[in-house]
Amino acid sequence: DTAVSQTPKYLVTQMGNDKSIKCEQNLGHDTMYWYKQDSKKFLKIMFSYNNKELIINETVPNRFSPKSPDKAHLNLHINSLELGDSAVYFCASSQAGRSSYNEQFFGPGTRLTVL
Amino acid sequence: QKEVEQNSGPLSVPEGAIASLNCTYSDRVSQSFFWYRQYSGKSPELIMSIYSNGDKEDGRFTAQLNKASQYVSLLIRDSQPSDSATYLCAVNNDSNSGYALNFGKGTSLLVTP
Repeated sequence: DTAVSQTPKYLVTQMGNDKSIKCEQNLGHDTMYWYKQDSKKFLKIMFSYNNKELIINETVPNRFSPKSPDKAHLNLHINSLELGDSAVYFCASSQAGRSSYNEQFFGPGTRLTVL
Repeated sequence: QKEVEQNSGPLSVPEGAIASLNCTYSDRVSQSFFWYRQYSGKSPELIMSIYSNGDKEDGRFTAQLNKASQYVSLLIRDSQPSDSATYLCAVNNDSNSGYALNFGKGTSLLVTP
């Protein structure tokens, strides 16, 4: 199946730990994203990664770092987890740029719970 | 701050009726507009995209865009209980913002049998 996939689906961890979430897309897209959906269901961009160029939302703490080994993968690493990091994290991908309308397709999400 | 505004609802409509969902946006240079449907506990699913002023129809869904008024809407005809979900309006950013989407907070739709 062509899709955006994420692992793990659920992640429960203690405050202060470091964790990673993996994302893969086989849609041949050139841009990948991480979004955070908080408890009020508001979906907000964290990062976008296009042709090795990283655009960071200025509100994202530097404890969060995206890593892209290739165009099909964009992982999210989180250091020193805090209670407020509990949320659902969605990976998405699109074919961005001037010639594209940038329709974004989302992965299934990772529900992170920090205890 | 680029804003996308939606009425949070819930919007309740009887089965078979037309559901009308509205969205306004603040950034005049926005070029692409999207409607996503999100069921509880699931990921956002793209259901409509629109780029030009006017109407775009796809099955029971019609998206309407008015760039002069900075307004985009979604009509769902013959609403079904399975349409009950949160509908997210999203507006495209340009390359300076990494092509990210700005989302509204969503409108909860309930279709009652």
